[in-house]
Amino acid sequence: GAGVSQSPSNKVTEKGKDVELRCDPISGHTALYWYRQRLGQGLEFLIYFQGNSAPDKSGLPSDRFSAERTGESVSTLTIQRTQQEDSAVYLCASTNPGTGGREQYFGPGTRLTVT
Amino acid sequence: DAKTTQPPSMDCAEGRAANLPCNHSTISGNEYVYWYRQIHSQGPQYIIHGLKNNETNEMASLIITEDRKSSTLILPHATLRDTAVYYCIVRFSYSGAGSYQLTFGKGTKLSVIP
Repeated sequence: GAGVSQSPSNKVTEKGKDVELRCDPISGHTALYWYRQRLGQGLEFLIYFQGNSAPDKSGLPSDRFSAERTGESVSTLTIQRTQQEDSAVYLCASTNPGTGGREQYFGPGTRLTVT
Repeated sequence: DAKTTQPPSMDCAEGRAANLPCNHSTISGNEYVYWYRQIHSQGPQYIIHGLKNNETNEMASLIITEDRKSSTLILPHATLRDTAVYYCIVRFSYSGAGSYQLTFGKGTKLSVIP
């Protein structure tokens, strides 16, 4: 596709349930970021993938959060035992370090609501 | 990354040029100026970036002062769809050696008025 896509666009879940969010980056973009954005707040970095290198997980807020990426394609962010404070928009961005990697291209986000 | 200062809000009449200022007085010689925007309920969108020279693309123009301590993003003919929060950030050129996540400040909320 032409841009970064994310699914689902909206997710409402009950506290304690697990959720899985998906990101399809731009084809050819080797680097992928996950961010979280709470209402009215800035971007909060979660995790970074670059090619086959070990991911940078330094932003994950707890061990309930994990993410995977298959090669240079789809990534999934999993939140286990969701809590109300996990409610936010989860954004995925991809970039191509090979061409300078200066700009990040974002998907539309997944709005997660934990009730 | 150097700190930036932007006005919290601006209005612009539809069809007129929107000029959004940004101060980055502590910018270092190899830091770029980037602009992103975030339309309500959407993900951030890259607009433009520059180092020293003025830059133009299909979305906007970026004017950087000679001393590089400030810059202006120009939307030449603002439309209602340009209503968004605009973020000016200063970053080193990405080396590809590891994560280089984006951090936004408060930005400027631009309201385009019919």
